[in-house]
Amino acid sequence: NAGVTQTPKFRILKIGQSMTLQCTQDMNHNYMYWYRQDPGMGLKLIYYSVGAGITDKGEVPNGYNVSRSTTEDFPLRLELAAPSQTSVYFCASSSPLGIGTDTQYFGPGTRLTVL
Amino acid sequence: RKEVEQDPGPFNVPEGATVAFNCTYSNSASQSFFWYRQDCRKEPKLLMSVYSSGNEDGRFTAQLNRASQYISLLIRDSKLSDSATYLCVVILTGSARQLTFGSGTQLTVLP
Repeated sequence: NAGVTQTPKFRILKIGQSMTLQCTQDMNHNYMYWYRQDPGMGLKLIYYSVGAGITDKGEVPNGYNVSRSTTEDFPLRLELAAPSQTSVYFCASSSPLGIGTDTQYFGPGTRLTVL
Repeated sequence: RKEVEQDPGPFNVPEGATVAFNCTYSNSASQSFFWYRQDCRKEPKLLMSVYSSGNEDGRFTAQLNRASQYISLLIRDSKLSDSATYLCVVILTGSARQLTFGSGTQLTVLP
Protein backbone atom coordinates (compact mmCIF):
# COMPACT_ATOMS: atom_id res chain seq x y z
CA ASN A 1 0.00 0.00 0.00
CA ALA A 2 1.27 3.45 -0.90
CA GLY A 3 -1.05 4.94 1.75
CA VAL A 4 -1.90 8.59 1.09
CA THR A 5 -0.08 10.27 -1.77
CA GLN A 6 -0.09 13.96 -2.65
CA THR A 7 1.11 15.86 -5.69
CA PRO A 8 2.87 18.15 -6.22
CA LYS A 9 5.36 18.26 -3.35
CA PHE A 10 6.18 21.93 -3.94
CA ARG A 11 4.59 24.71 -5.95
CA ILE A 12 5.04 28.44 -6.36
CA LEU A 13 2.02 30.37 -7.62
CA LYS A 14 1.52 33.96 -8.60
CA ILE A 15 -1.35 35.91 -7.06
CA GLY A 16 -4.57 35.13 -8.89
CA GLN A 17 -3.42 31.85 -10.41
CA SER A 18 -5.34 28.62 -9.88
CA MET A 19 -4.22 25.12 -9.14
CA THR A 20 -5.40 21.74 -7.95
CA LEU A 21 -3.67 19.79 -5.21
CA GLN A 22 -4.09 16.08 -5.77
CA CYS A 23 -4.66 13.50 -3.04
CA THR A 24 -5.11 9.75 -3.48
CA GLN A 25 -5.41 6.96 -0.95
CA ASP A 26 -5.35 3.22 -1.61
CA MET A 27 -6.64 2.02 1.77
CA ASN A 28 -10.33 2.14 0.78
CA HIS A 29 -10.99 4.71 3.51
CA ASN A 30 -14.34 6.46 3.47
CA TYR A 31 -13.24 9.61 5.27
CA MET A 32 -10.81 12.07 3.72
CA TYR A 33 -9.63 15.48 4.91
CA TRP A 34 -7.66 18.50 3.80
CA TYR A 35 -5.66 20.52 6.34
CA ARG A 36 -3.35 23.48 6.12
CA GLN A 37 -0.49 24.15 8.50
CA ASP A 38 1.01 27.59 8.81
CA PRO A 39 4.50 27.97 10.36
CA GLY A 40 4.53 27.25 14.10
CA MET A 41 0.84 26.43 14.12
CA GLY A 42 -1.32 23.37 14.39
CA LEU A 43 -3.26 21.95 11.48
CA LYS A 44 -6.55 23.57 10.51
CA LEU A 45 -9.27 21.67 8.67
CA ILE A 46 -10.23 23.09 5.28
CA TYR A 47 -12.71 20.52 3.91
CA TYR A 48 -13.61 16.93 4.59
CA SER A 49 -15.55 14.12 2.98
CA VAL A 50 -17.29 11.14 4.55
CA GLY A 51 -17.70 9.30 1.27
CA ALA A 52 -17.83 9.65 -2.50
CA GLY A 53 -20.16 12.48 -3.48
CA ILE A 54 -20.26 13.99 0.02
CA THR A 55 -18.15 16.96 1.07
CA ASP A 56 -18.41 19.55 3.83
CA LYS A 57 -16.63 22.65 5.04
CA GLY A 58 -14.15 22.64 7.86
CA GLU A 59 -12.78 25.51 9.89
CA VAL A 60 -11.08 27.49 7.07
CA PRO A 61 -12.83 26.74 3.72
CA ASN A 62 -12.74 30.21 2.15
CA GLY A 63 -10.76 30.31 -1.09
CA TYR A 64 -10.89 26.55 -1.63
CA ASN A 65 -13.13 23.98 -3.27
CA VAL A 66 -13.16 20.19 -3.23
CA SER A 67 -14.82 17.29 -4.98
CA ARG A 68 -15.05 13.58 -4.21
CA SER A 69 -16.09 11.59 -7.25
CA THR A 70 -14.34 8.40 -6.15
CA THR A 71 -13.39 6.81 -2.85
CA GLU A 72 -9.72 7.11 -3.69
CA ASP A 73 -9.37 10.74 -4.80
CA PHE A 74 -10.02 14.02 -3.00
CA PRO A 75 -8.56 16.99 -4.94
CA LEU A 76 -8.38 20.49 -3.44
CA ARG A 77 -8.83 23.44 -5.78
CA LEU A 78 -7.48 26.96 -5.24
CA GLU A 79 -9.25 29.30 -7.65
CA LEU A 80 -7.60 32.69 -7.08
CA ALA A 81 -4.41 32.22 -5.14
CA ALA A 82 -3.62 34.80 -2.46
CA PRO A 83 -0.48 35.24 -0.31
CA SER A 84 -2.54 34.19 2.73
CA GLN A 85 -2.77 30.72 1.18
CA THR A 86 0.96 30.20 1.49
CA SER A 87 1.11 27.14 3.69
CA VAL A 88 1.75 23.41 3.86
CA TYR A 89 -1.28 21.38 2.82
CA PHE A 90 -1.85 17.88 4.18
CA CYS A 91 -4.39 15.37 2.99
CA ALA A 92 -5.48 12.60 5.35
CA SER A 93 -7.79 9.62 5.35
CA SER A 94 -9.38 7.36 7.91
CA SER A 95 -11.93 4.61 8.28
CA PRO A 96 -13.45 5.16 11.71
CA LEU A 97 -15.46 2.22 12.93
CA GLY A 98 -15.92 3.53 16.43
CA ILE A 99 -14.05 5.03 19.33
CA GLY A 100 -10.43 3.95 19.19
CA THR A 101 -10.30 3.48 15.42
CA ASP A 102 -9.90 7.11 14.50
CA THR A 103 -6.34 6.99 13.25
CA GLN A 104 -5.88 9.41 10.41
CA TYR A 105 -3.15 8.68 7.90
CA PHE A 106 -1.51 11.71 6.40
CA GLY A 107 0.10 12.29 3.05
CA PRO A 108 3.58 13.88 2.86
CA GLY A 109 2.20 17.35 2.21
CA THR A 110 2.33 20.00 -0.50
CA ARG A 111 4.34 23.14 0.20
CA LEU A 112 2.67 26.06 -1.56
CA THR A 113 4.03 29.58 -1.84
CA VAL A 114 1.95 32.38 -3.35
CA LEU A 115 3.92 35.43 -4.46
CA ARG B 1 -9.70 30.80 23.79
CA LYS B 2 -8.13 28.10 21.62
CA GLU B 3 -9.94 24.77 21.52
CA VAL B 4 -6.75 22.85 22.25
CA GLU B 5 -3.89 24.57 24.03
CA GLN B 6 -0.34 23.37 24.48
CA ASP B 7 2.85 24.86 25.83
CA PRO B 8 4.83 25.51 22.62
CA GLY B 9 8.18 24.95 24.29
CA PRO B 10 10.79 24.44 23.11
CA PHE B 11 11.78 21.78 25.58
CA ASN B 12 15.51 21.03 25.41
CA VAL B 13 16.41 18.00 27.51
CA PRO B 14 19.46 15.74 27.79
CA GLU B 15 19.35 12.14 26.65
CA GLY B 16 17.88 9.91 29.31
CA ALA B 17 15.75 12.64 30.86
CA THR B 18 12.06 12.37 31.61
CA VAL B 19 9.89 15.06 30.05
CA ALA B 20 6.18 15.78 30.35
CA PHE B 21 3.88 17.69 28.03
CA ASN B 22 0.51 19.06 28.97
CA CYS B 23 -2.54 19.95 26.94
CA THR B 24 -5.93 21.41 27.80
CA TYR B 25 -9.08 21.34 25.70
CA SER B 26 -12.03 23.68 25.96
CA ASN B 27 -14.96 21.63 24.66
CA SER B 28 -16.38 19.18 27.18
CA ALA B 29 -18.02 17.31 24.29
CA SER B 30 -14.61 16.11 23.17
CA GLN B 31 -14.76 12.38 22.75
CA SER B 32 -11.44 10.99 21.61
CA PHE B 33 -7.92 12.09 22.39
CA PHE B 34 -4.56 11.49 20.79
CA TRP B 35 -0.94 12.46 20.68
CA TYR B 36 0.56 12.81 17.22
CA ARG B 37 4.22 13.28 16.45
CA GLN B 38 5.47 15.53 13.66
CA ASP B 39 9.07 15.54 12.52
CA CYS B 40 10.47 18.65 10.91
CA ARG B 41 8.83 19.27 7.52
CA LYS B 42 7.05 15.93 7.64
CA GLU B 43 3.46 14.81 8.06
CA PRO B 44 1.93 14.10 11.48
CA LYS B 45 1.85 10.49 12.58
CA LEU B 46 -0.17 8.94 15.37
CA LEU B 47 1.93 8.35 18.47
CA MET B 48 -0.78 7.03 20.73
CA SER B 49 -4.42 7.29 21.66
CA VAL B 50 -5.28 8.53 25.14
CA TYR B 51 -7.77 6.65 27.29
CA SER B 52 -9.49 7.66 30.51
CA SER B 53 -7.72 4.92 32.42
CA GLY B 54 -4.33 6.11 31.17
CA ASN B 55 -2.20 4.06 28.84
CA GLU B 56 1.42 3.22 28.29
CA ASP B 57 3.39 2.29 25.21
CA GLY B 58 6.99 1.53 26.05
CA ARG B 59 8.61 4.75 27.26
CA PHE B 60 5.49 6.79 26.58
CA THR B 61 2.62 7.26 29.03
CA ALA B 62 -0.54 9.22 28.27
CA GLN B 63 -3.11 10.40 30.81
CA LEU B 64 -6.55 11.95 30.45
CA ASN B 65 -8.43 13.91 33.11
CA ARG B 66 -11.92 14.58 31.78
CA ALA B 67 -12.98 16.59 34.82
CA SER B 68 -10.12 19.05 34.32
CA GLN B 69 -10.15 18.69 30.51
CA TYR B 70 -6.47 17.94 30.59
CA ILE B 71 -4.24 15.52 28.69
CA SER B 72 -0.63 14.70 29.36
CA LEU B 73 2.22 12.82 27.71
CA LEU B 74 5.22 11.55 29.65
CA ILE B 75 8.37 10.41 27.87
CA ARG B 76 10.87 8.48 29.96
CA ASP B 77 14.52 7.83 29.11
CA SER B 78 14.49 10.32 26.22
CA LYS B 79 16.31 9.35 23.04
CA LEU B 80 17.77 11.61 20.38
CA SER B 81 15.17 10.17 18.02
CA ASP B 82 12.38 11.56 20.21
CA SER B 83 13.22 15.06 18.98
CA ALA B 84 10.07 16.24 17.20
CA THR B 85 6.95 18.32 17.70
CA TYR B 86 4.21 16.64 19.70
CA LEU B 87 0.66 17.54 18.77
CA CYS B 88 -2.27 17.16 21.13
CA VAL B 89 -5.41 16.23 19.20
CA VAL B 90 -9.07 15.83 20.12
CA ILE B 91 -12.21 14.72 18.31
CA LEU B 92 -15.57 16.20 19.20
CA THR B 93 -18.63 14.03 19.55
CA GLY B 94 -20.54 13.83 16.26
CA SER B 95 -17.98 15.83 14.33
CA ALA B 96 -17.47 13.40 11.44
CA ARG B 97 -14.26 12.42 13.19
CA GLN B 98 -12.63 15.79 12.55
CA LEU B 99 -9.37 16.23 14.39
CA THR B 100 -8.76 19.47 16.26
CA PHE B 101 -5.06 20.09 16.72
CA GLY B 102 -3.07 21.97 19.29
CA SER B 103 -0.18 24.06 17.99
CA GLY B 104 2.33 21.50 19.17
CA THR B 105 5.16 21.30 21.69
CA GLN B 106 8.66 21.17 20.31
CA LEU B 107 11.10 18.74 21.94
CA THR B 108 14.83 18.58 21.33
CA VAL B 109 16.79 15.82 23.03
CA LEU B 110 20.44 16.76 23.38
CA PRO B 111 23.38 14.34 23.41
